[in-house]
Amino acid sequence: GIQVEQSPPDLILQEGANSTLRCNFSDSVNNLQWFHQNPWGQLINLFYIPSGTKQNGRLSATTVATERYSLLYISSSQTTDSGVYFCAVEEDRRALTFGSGTRLQVQP
Amino acid sequence: EAGVAQSPRYKIIEKRQSVAFWCNPISGHATLYWYQQILGQGPKLLIQFQNNGVVDDSQLPKDRFSAERLKGVDSTLKIQPAKLEDSAVYLCASSWDMETQYFGPGTRLLVL
Repeated sequence: GIQVEQSPPDLILQEGANSTLRCNFSDSVNNLQWFHQNPWGQLINLFYIPSGTKQNGRLSATTVATERYSLLYISSSQTTDSGVYFCAVEEDRRALTFGSGTRLQVQP
Repeated sequence: EAGVAQSPRYKIIEKRQSVAFWCNPISGHATLYWYQQILGQGPKLLIQFQNNGVVDDSQLPKDRFSAERLKGVDSTLKIQPAKLEDSAVYLCASSWDMETQYFGPGTRLLVL
């Protein structure tokens, strides 16, 4: 099956800093999503982005499908951004395959 | 719009006991998913329903796990008998377009 690798595995930031999270995948996909799992375990969908660039407030994402990677940018980080960020991909209308996540801690 | 509902939120059982989880998807969402998330890992799909039919159950341990979605709305996931390695968070998600998935709060299971 498809492999999904996320980096870095762990990230500690000071409030106000910017960061870039990366997701590499091993095969072509027709769906890619970024999720945020908050410290209480709730998974929140951030972006549906199989290709191109999207922005939502302080977050933006870019997927280069031909090169099989996606990037999630967090600008002016806040303590509420802490949690785990997951990249998940889908091939051939199958369910999502998740990466192992990037654990982000934003310190005040 | 109400989100995906799951119950119970927490469950502690002893190994070899049985347990059942319930999920109510977002109204109108035809596709329903059950995922298992072990501590420190990303969620892993157990089963996917389209209305009341199974689309993918290739990763469901069928000797002990079962799931149903009667009438194409609510769904239950059952484990019988439970093993220690089943301790995890069980997440239910739904989708109307098989693209964006919306997740419930999960059921945290501890098997002693």
